[in-house]
Amino acid sequence: GENVEQHPSTLSVQEGDSAVIKCTYSDSASNYFPWYKQELGKRPQLIIDIRSNVGEKKDQRIAVTLNKTAKHFSLHITETQPEDSAVYFCAALGDSGYALNFGKGTSLLVTP
Amino acid sequence: DAGVIQSPRHEVTEMGQEVTLRCKPISGHNSLFWYRQTMMRGLELLIYFNNNVPIDDSGMPEDRFSAKMPNASFSTLKIQPSEPRDSAVYFCASKSGAGSGEQYFGPGTRLTVT
Repeated sequence: GENVEQHPSTLSVQEGDSAVIKCTYSDSASNYFPWYKQELGKRPQLIIDIRSNVGEKKDQRIAVTLNKTAKHFSLHITETQPEDSAVYFCAALGDSGYALNFGKGTSLLVTP
Repeated sequence: DAGVIQSPRHEVTEMGQEVTLRCKPISGHNSLFWYRQTMMRGLELLIYFNNNVPIDDSGMPEDRFSAKMPNASFSTLKIQPSEPRDSAVYFCASKSGAGSGEQYFGPGTRLTVT
């Protein structure tokens, strides 16, 4: 089955700096890659997603890049703010067509 | 829309007791997922329903776990008997259709089994 690895597990940046979180996946048939943000004690919420026919997608300060050949995708957050502090999960839609395989999460801390 | 609704939000029970978690998906969504979240194992898919039918229950850890979806607006996850290692946050999520697209998570139920 699909295996999603996520790095780093923790990341601390200063406000205004950029943050990058990387994920790799194993199933070459995977074609959908969402990113979820989970604030402490809250539910995971989708922040951005990308499909396999696209190499990059941006939404204001966040962007996701996908390299299908290397089977890795990354989340980029620019001009980080303290409210960006949360746990971020990457995921890949496996060959089942419905099951999202989640990475273990990255705890991002943005310090003022 | 109220979003996905789960109850209870917190549950504390003693080992051996039966626990029932409840979920109301977003109206019109025909895919429903139950997840378990722990520090050690992250987010794990327990079971997936499509149009009220269980499609994949391979993630259900043991026979002590069971799930039902009697209609499009209600699902339950039952643990009987509960054990301390079942302590986790259980999320229900729903989406429109199958395949890719956003899964909308409920607020979760934090279960503690003593």
